[in-house]
Order: sequence, then structure tokens, then C-alpha cells
Amino acid sequence: DTEVTQTPKHLVMGMTNKKSLKCEQHMGHRAMYWYKQKAKKPPELMFVYSYEKLSINESVPSRFSPECPNSSLLNLHLHALQPEDSALYLCASSRGSSGANVLTFGAGSRLTVL
Amino acid sequence: DAKTTQPPSMDCAEGRAANLPCNHSTISGNEYVYWYRQIHSQGPQYIIHGLKNNETNEMASLIITEDRKSSTLILPHATLRDTAVYYCIVRVAAQASGNKLVFGAGTILRVKS
Repeated sequence: DTEVTQTPKHLVMGMTNKKSLKCEQHMGHRAMYWYKQKAKKPPELMFVYSYEKLSINESVPSRFSPECPNSSLLNLHLHALQPEDSALYLCASSRGSSGANVLTFGAGSRLTVL
Repeated sequence: DAKTTQPPSMDCAEGRAANLPCNHSTISGNEYVYWYRQIHSQGPQYIIHGLKNNETNEMASLIITEDRKSSTLILPHATLRDTAVYYCIVRVAAQASGNKLVFGAGTILRVKS
């Protein structure tokens, strides 16, 4: 298995809803990432988990809450989002956490906040 | 990590080689050059990376100048499926603080029949 699987592919939520994005990989990778991508812009790093511990938080608002229950799973919990949070959310994984590692990306979850 | 400069867009005829330039004039000796691409509505895909020497794999070739201040990604026989945004990224290989892969604006490559 050489894939990163993200669910759901599409999500529409209201500003008062609580929802979660899920990411899964079975490549034995020990680092996992969340990126946010707005239309016609490059992906922006949000969080990095290394060996199930949060190692990088790029000053992301607390309405986004990451969770790494085990080395294969990465969740992004969403609460009280704003319409400007509508974007493509990309998950990625890599074998290790050093800069020499190549990232494998999922296809993304497209979020619309009404 | 060193900053990169890429042209905003390029066109290429189908079947011809696509040569995508990247300038990284402030690159340090311990920084690698990575290339990823993103086809519309998909996640980014790793293509190739290198330090000093030219590299080739099944997807592309990477030519790095001797002074390492610039590089060129070569897709030898571009197809319509190679239409994508191509990102050149420079980063330190042994980065203890985590794998902070930062994307720039990239180059939109349009392959035309």
C-alpha cells in the first residue's frame, strides 16, 4: 500500500458544527502532516506530527485541532470555523521527520464552511 | 530554507521536452533541491530531488548547475497528463526541527497538443 487516504472527499459544514477530517496511511511512515490550500495558491503547512507527537504548529487557530491516535492515523477536528476556512485540506506522510524524507500526499478533503 | 524563484507559467508542445527552470541563488551547501507537482484537484506528487549531481528517474531528470544556484527539471517527452503546477523547493536534509516542506508559487506548465 503506497497511498495516503483522506476522508471525506467533500465536507460542507455550518459555522456552529463540529466535524473531523481523517487521514490514514499503511506505509509504516512515522511523520504525518496537515496542509491547507486555498484556490490558486500553494499548499500551506499547518501541523507536523513526528512519532505521534506534535512537532510543528504553524500558529494555526485553535478552531483547528489535530490528533494523532496512532502512527497510521491523523485527524483534524474542526469547530466554529469561518467561511474563510473553506479550502482543500491535504494530508501527507513521510518515513521519518528529517528534511531528507519525501512526502506522500493524499488527494485532499475539500471543505466548504457556510 | 533558501528561497526559490520560478517563472509563473510555461507552455510546451506534446511530445517535446519540457524544461522548467528554478533559481535558488542563496542555497547552502547542505540544502537539497526537491521538485513536486500538483495536477488539478489532486494532492502534490513527488518527482525528484538532488544535492549536487544530476539525477534521473522514471519521471524526469534534474540538472543542477555547478555553483548550485539554479536547476532545471526536464520532462523528456511531455504529455497532456503532465499539465500541472510544478514546485521547486530547497530544504535542509538533516533538519532536526521537523520536516517543514514549504511550497512557493510554482510554475504552471501547460502541455498543448
